[in-house]
Amino acid sequence: DQQVKQNSPSLSVQEGRISILNCDYTNSMFDYFLWYKKYPAEGPTFLISISSIKDKNEDGRFTVFLNKSAKHLSLHIVPSQPGDSAVYFCAAIPLMEYGNKLVFGAGTILRVKS
Amino acid sequence: DARVTQTPRHKVTEMGQEVTMRCQPILGHNTVFWYRQTMMQGLELLAYFRNRAPLDDSGMPKDRFSAEMPDATLATLKIQPSEPRDSAVYFCASGLRDTEAFFGQGTRLTVV
Repeated sequence: DQQVKQNSPSLSVQEGRISILNCDYTNSMFDYFLWYKKYPAEGPTFLISISSIKDKNEDGRFTVFLNKSAKHLSLHIVPSQPGDSAVYFCAAIPLMEYGNKLVFGAGTILRVKS
Repeated sequence: DARVTQTPRHKVTEMGQEVTMRCQPILGHNTVFWYRQTMMQGLELLAYFRNRAPLDDSGMPKDRFSAEMPDATLATLKIQPSEPRDSAVYFCASGLRDTEAFFGQGTRLTVV
């Protein structure tokens, strides 16, 4: 039973346009959400996070939006660059368990075409 | 440059053989995770430790998998006996209670 779902296995976007990666979760105890990026033959690297008390967090070209009532979050990348091509994992942490038990989605492959 | 180090990077073994994967967490990190990446499941949590004590290994097949932390600088994941379905990339990650987890580069295991 996947508690964190990334329903789009892949996404293709033109360079300069917006990339929107989506993530849904089922566990209402999730309190903290993260996005990781993974290049081939490397481990995932942390990208951006958001606490459940916020609905938006922005870091440069990356913005994460959280809709708690819909149990949905999204990652926006604007403008998209070819170097953003990677697998993006959404992850969630249950309440009071920071640093513990990251629950990951299956990932979305983003391809940014130049 | 602090990083999580995993060895070996690649391992090919025959079915039935024992496999040991090693991880050196970032110095000072007190939480260590083992994840497995598969095409269908994404990143599955196998086990994690806090201050070297196992907190949760419910994601790990107990009959063949074992995870230990002999000391604060070494975590091991062992599979005995290995099976073809164990073929995957195994990631170790470390962190502190209030930070994100930092991942190693992974061990790509192929069981033939």
